[in-house]
Amino acid sequence: GQQLNQSPQSMFIQEGEDVSMNCTSSSIFNTWLWYKQEPGEGPVLLIALYKAGELTSNGRLTAQFGITRKDSFLNISASIPSDVGIYFCAGHAGGTSYGKLTFGQGTILTVHP
Amino acid sequence: DAGVIQSPRHEVTEMGQEVTLRCKPISGHNSLFWYRQTMMRGLELLIYFNNNVPIDDSGMPEDRFSAKMPNASFSTLKIQPSEPRDSAVYFCASSPLTSGSGNIQYFGAGTRLSVL
Repeated sequence: GQQLNQSPQSMFIQEGEDVSMNCTSSSIFNTWLWYKQEPGEGPVLLIALYKAGELTSNGRLTAQFGITRKDSFLNISASIPSDVGIYFCAGHAGGTSYGKLTFGQGTILTVHP
Repeated sequence: DAGVIQSPRHEVTEMGQEVTLRCKPISGHNSLFWYRQTMMRGLELLIYFNNNVPIDDSGMPEDRFSAKMPNASFSTLKIQPSEPRDSAVYFCASSPLTSGSGNIQYFGAGTRLSVL
């Protein structure tokens, strides 16, 4: 089946630093999504990408849909303590999968003030 | 919109008891997904429905797990009998499946299950 490799597994950074994480897939996706999960809550969508090469920003967050359609990255600039959480990438393969997503293992982000 | 609503938020039960988790998807969404999250295994898809019909239950770990969606606004995930290894956070998500943003899943806040 499809697999997503997300890296790094965890990051410990100082407030103000930039963060970069990425996902790679063994197969092509038509959609890449990035979610953030805070403690005690469900994942919340940050950015959605629908086209190869697409670069999209949401405030201090920027994500890109890789040209090969097998990878995506998420950057966070000038991190702040509230960026703490688990970040997940997710991909949708298209076809008749009724919206089923394949999720990465998550990147645990810790920001030290 | 109220978002995806799950109940209860927390459930503590004893081994062997029946557990029922509930989910109300976002109105108008036609796909519903049940996930289980643990530290060891991450986020696992258990089962999903489209227009109230189960599409793929291959992620359901054992026959002790069952899920139903009797109508477009309600779904249940039942574990009978429960075991300590079922302890996890269970999420429900729904998706509108329209063009453009159709693949986005919206998650509930989850049910934290502890089986003693």
